[in-house]
Amino acid sequence: GAVVSQHPSWVICKSGTSVKIECRSLDFQATTMFWYRQFPKQSLMLMATSNEGSKATYEQGVEKDKFLINHASLTLSTLTVTSAHPEDSSFYICSASEQFGSGTRLTIV
Amino acid sequence: DAKTTQPPSMDCAEGRAANLPCNHSTISGNEYVYWYRQIHSQGPQYIIHGLKNNETNEMASLIITEDRKSSTLILPHATLRDTAVYYCIVSHMNSGGYQKVTFGTGTKLQVIP
Repeated sequence: GAVVSQHPSWVICKSGTSVKIECRSLDFQATTMFWYRQFPKQSLMLMATSNEGSKATYEQGVEKDKFLINHASLTLSTLTVTSAHPEDSSFYICSASEQFGSGTRLTIV
Repeated sequence: DAKTTQPPSMDCAEGRAANLPCNHSTISGNEYVYWYRQIHSQGPQYIIHGLKNNETNEMASLIITEDRKSSTLILPHATLRDTAVYYCIVSHMNSGGYQKVTFGTGTKLQVIP
């Protein structure tokens, strides 16, 4: 079945640095991928829709210059958290074709 | 997307069937019902989905009412590893995968030994 791979599974970075998270569809092509964020004890919140070959669509309240999304191929979407700060610490999850990645635990110190 | 309503929590004895309800009274004709579960600190795991007929797979059964306004996910023999938050979602299905969805708060299922 369809498998979505997400990397890294966890990362700790210093405040002010940028962090890139990768989301890959392993055995299928995905023209659309989705990025979610989940804070402790809360549900998943959709951040943006990643579209292959075009600009991502961001949900209201999500800063597009803060969370850069690139979907350059049919099997890879990346989310870059730029100039990360402690409040950006969260669990980031991608999805494609009904499947979800395993998530990335981002901690900014 | 149509919204869903689920009870915040449920308990189930190990080995018994777990029946998780979901209301989706505003579901439209071309929207599917999906169920996912999320174990702590992991990504959501796909369980099952359906349009209007009941569905069964190796993990669970999905019962959708005739008017499609509600559904029930059934785990036939719950184990401790089934303890998780279960999300009921309704969404369109298109050629590239399903449309963006809104996650509700889900049902926290606790399987008790």
